[in-house]
Amino acid sequence: EVQLVESGGGLVQPGGSLRLSCAASGFTFTDAWMSWVRQAPGKGLEWVGRIKTKTDGETTHYAAPVKGRFTISRDDSKNTVYLQMNSLKTEDTAVYYCATDYSGGAWGQGTLVTVSS
Amino acid sequence: QSVLTQPPSASGTPGQRVTISCSGRSSNIGSNYVYWYQQLPGTAPKLLISRNNQRPSGVPDRFSGSKSGTSASLAISGLRSEDEADYYCAAWDDSLSGRVFGGGTKLTVL
Repeated sequence: EVQLVESGGGLVQPGGSLRLSCAASGFTFTDAWMSWVRQAPGKGLEWVGRIKTKTDGETTHYAAPVKGRFTISRDDSKNTVYLQMNSLKTEDTAVYYCATDYSGGAWGQGTLVTVSS
Repeated sequence: QSVLTQPPSASGTPGQRVTISCSGRSSNIGSNYVYWYQQLPGTAPKLLISRNNQRPSGVPDRFSGSKSGTSASLAISGLRSEDEADYYCAAWDDSLSGRVFGGGTKLTVL
């Protein structure tokens, strides 16, 4: 069964940092481009960024609102993708999902990040 | 304001066929694949249609996708109460070097 499980969310003050993790199972992780998508309370989906496979150079792309503050990385030995979030702002408050369109697609259950003083 | 434009709401009665549109530009829908996601109330999104019109395993054939020029559509035939959800389109945007989502369409089954 294809599964993605996020962890690491929580409450953080503006200007703070947080690292999210997403553990994958049930598919060939090394072949999958992995993305992070967020959803603010009561709002639609917003793409955060993506990391390609090692074969594709582990190239990353980011949405304009997070570029320079967020970093996506992956550890293929652990089947895990990470989202390092620095200089957090109140507008970063959202449920963060990791997702892939590979192998029929999969989304995690999401982890809530609340940025507030 | 989303880069891809979807109607905020749609509705239909059980058994009916409904379509949801997604309008974009040459830099996104016009030159890249379109994906559709279904988000049931209180749950994570799920991939419904990939690469314009491909259904992942397990997705009923009542769901179909199409693309023409800079627009795409999701069609749901034989509407069922369990189809009540939010639907999002997405595509890569070459100008932005990023993926863009539509604002979402809330489907109500009357």
